[in-house]
Amino acid sequence: DTGVSQDPRHKITKRGQNVTFRCDPISEHNRLYWYRQTLGQGPEFLTYFQNEAQLEKSRLLSDRFSAERPKGSFSTLEIQRTEQGDSAMYLCASSRVGQGARDTQYFGPGTRLTVL
Amino acid sequence: RKEVEQDPGPFNVPEGATVAFNCTYSNSASQSFFWYRQDCRKEPKLLMSVYSSGNEDGRFTAQLNRASQYISLLIRDSKLSDSATYLCVVNMLTGGGNKLTFGTGTQLKVEL
Repeated sequence: DTGVSQDPRHKITKRGQNVTFRCDPISEHNRLYWYRQTLGQGPEFLTYFQNEAQLEKSRLLSDRFSAERPKGSFSTLEIQRTEQGDSAMYLCASSRVGQGARDTQYFGPGTRLTVL
Repeated sequence: RKEVEQDPGPFNVPEGATVAFNCTYSNSASQSFFWYRQDCRKEPKLLMSVYSSGNEDGRFTAQLNRASQYISLLIRDSKLSDSATYLCVVNMLTGGGNKLTFGTGTQLKVEL
């Protein structure tokens, strides 16, 4: 399968713990996006990278959240001192820009986080 | 006011029916427009892009009215497999990237 992959698919943690999620984009996709989706809502933009550079962060991304894409390939999203309000599906998407590519975003299966 | 507004539904229709979804967006600077489909507890998948001239893909037709900031999706001859949530998505060019803004989604249930 050459689509976007995310790991883990499910994570249950206790309030106050730190969690880290990983996203592997489609090969050769230079842009990578993180979104968060809660029940009954559409996904909300969190941040995005072009290659290894983080170019934009949403106001939703508090100081407890940090994302990296150190080599311009996979990305990690870390949440420190988790709160119950962090419970959501965390979605990663990737796209390719340049050389006429349309920057269509393709989503991974998501990581479902439950904070107890 | 939400940036992208949709009727959440659910729309319950019989198999073979034609169903239409509407969506409005607030930012006139929006660059491009899409419909994504999301099945229960799955990731969103691109259904189709939406162009000002209107575009069709099989049983699906999408329309964009920039003056009214309005997007529509028409599904003809609906199938049981069309049951899903349909997300209206607007792309606003920002910081050199493309930030997708999603509506809350419209739930469709196609019944026998």
